[in-house]
Amino acid sequence: AAGVIQSPRHLIKEKRETATLKCYPIPRHDTVYWYQQGPGQDPQFLISFYEKMQSDKGSIPDRFSAQQFSDYHSELNMSSLELGDSALYFCASSLSVGQGAGNTIYFGEGSWLTVV
Amino acid sequence: GNSVTQMEGPVTLSEEAFLTINCTYTATGYPSLFWYVQYPGEGLQLLLKATKADDKGSNKGFEATYRKETTSFHLEKGSVQVSDSAVYFCALRNTDKLIFGTGTRLQVFP
Repeated sequence: AAGVIQSPRHLIKEKRETATLKCYPIPRHDTVYWYQQGPGQDPQFLISFYEKMQSDKGSIPDRFSAQQFSDYHSELNMSSLELGDSALYFCASSLSVGQGAGNTIYFGEGSWLTVV
Repeated sequence: GNSVTQMEGPVTLSEEAFLTINCTYTATGYPSLFWYVQYPGEGLQLLLKATKADDKGSNKGFEATYRKETTSFHLEKGSVQVSDSAVYFCALRNTDKLIFGTGTRLQVFP
C-alpha cells in the first residue's frame, strides 16, 4: 500500500541558509501534518492542512512556512536556518477528525535536517 | 487542555520478560488513543490504537486497553524480544492533530 513519501531523506545546510522539504500524502487523505522531532524528544506539531487550507498551527517558528498544493503534496520551507533547527521532520497524513478521531495518522520516514 | 504523560525510560528488560509502559492522558471529550513505535533511525509506526472506552488494541503481542475511569492506556507485552527495542510513544487524538507523550525507550537484552 502507498505510504507517505518524504524528500529529501537527509540534507545538510549551513546557518542562515534555506531548506525545503516535500511531502506526498497517502492518496485520498484530506489532511497533512508536519512535525519536528529534536534528538531524544517527542514529535512536536508544527502545522496542518485540511483540503489545502491551513487548519491548525503549533509551535512553528515565523521563519518557517508551509503550503499544500493542488495535487495535495505539501512543502515545508525553512529560512534563516539556525543550529537548533537540526531535527527530524515528519510529514503525516490522514482522514480528518471530522471523519473519526480514530482514523490513523500515518507518518513518513522523515527528513533529517542538519544545520552546520 | 489535552496532554499525555508517559513513564520515563529507559526501561531495561531481559528477553522474555513482561513489559508494562504506563500512559495516562488528560483530554476533553472522548479522544482516540494510540501507541506508536520508533525503531532506531526510523520513522514513526502505528503499533495499536483504541477509539472508545474499554476497547483493547493489540498488535505483534502488544496490548493496551482504553480505561476511561483511570484515563489510562498502558502498553503491555507478555514476553519481549530483543527486536522490540525501540522508543514507544503514547498519543491521543481529540482534534485533528496527534498529541504525543515524551516517549519511553525500551532496551531488551538477550
